[in-house]
Amino acid sequence: EVQLLESGGGLALPGGSLRLSCEASGFSFGKVAMAWVRQAPGQGLEYVAGISGSGGSTDYADSVKGRFIISRDNSNTTLFLQMRGLRGDDAATYYCAKRVGGWRHLDCWGQGIKVAVSS
Amino acid sequence: IQMTQSPSSLSASVGDKVTITCRASERVSTYLNWYQQKPGKAPKLLIYFSDKLDNGVPSRFRGSGSGTDFTLTIMSLQPEDFATYYCQQTYTAPDTFGQGTKLEMK
Repeated sequence: EVQLLESGGGLALPGGSLRLSCEASGFSFGKVAMAWVRQAPGQGLEYVAGISGSGGSTDYADSVKGRFIISRDNSNTTLFLQMRGLRGDDAATYYCAKRVGGWRHLDCWGQGIKVAVSS
Repeated sequence: IQMTQSPSSLSASVGDKVTITCRASERVSTYLNWYQQKPGKAPKLLIYFSDKLDNGVPSRFRGSGSGTDFTLTIMSLQPEDFATYYCQQTYTAPDTFGQGTKLEMK
């Protein structure tokens, strides 16, 4: 059974940093692209970032480019999202998701982790 | 690529047939996916590549379209279908989602 478990959320100061983790199990992690998607309170889904199975290719939404870094540790089957320069509009529930190759849809999602940004 | 869903909200009754549309600002071939989300839960994949049902998704859900115009149709609404639905294009990185369509019980 595929499982994705996010951690590392919480409260950060404006301009501060947080590092989210997503521990994966139940599939060949190193062969699968992954992504982070967020949802601000009461709002819709927003793609944040994606990474290839090897980690050699990444992409970002314009809203986070230059501030967030997606990475992965295939030996420990863990996905990361390093967030710096946090702003109020980064407050959201962050989901990690497993991407299916080829058609690229997100077929499995974690339960989500909340990030709050406030002074 | 901008994704625009319509309507933003929809009221319907059990047994109704409902249709949600999604329009892309550029052609996305058939790299168009649909997700269902219930309050407090993670999104769930329903349909990928425009018309392919994910495993376990009831056949009353149907997707269609190519290029810029897509539809999600629920043939006979069931009580568990009242939720918010999102389209997503994965043709060009970064992915983009529609703003969502909230399906409410009439």
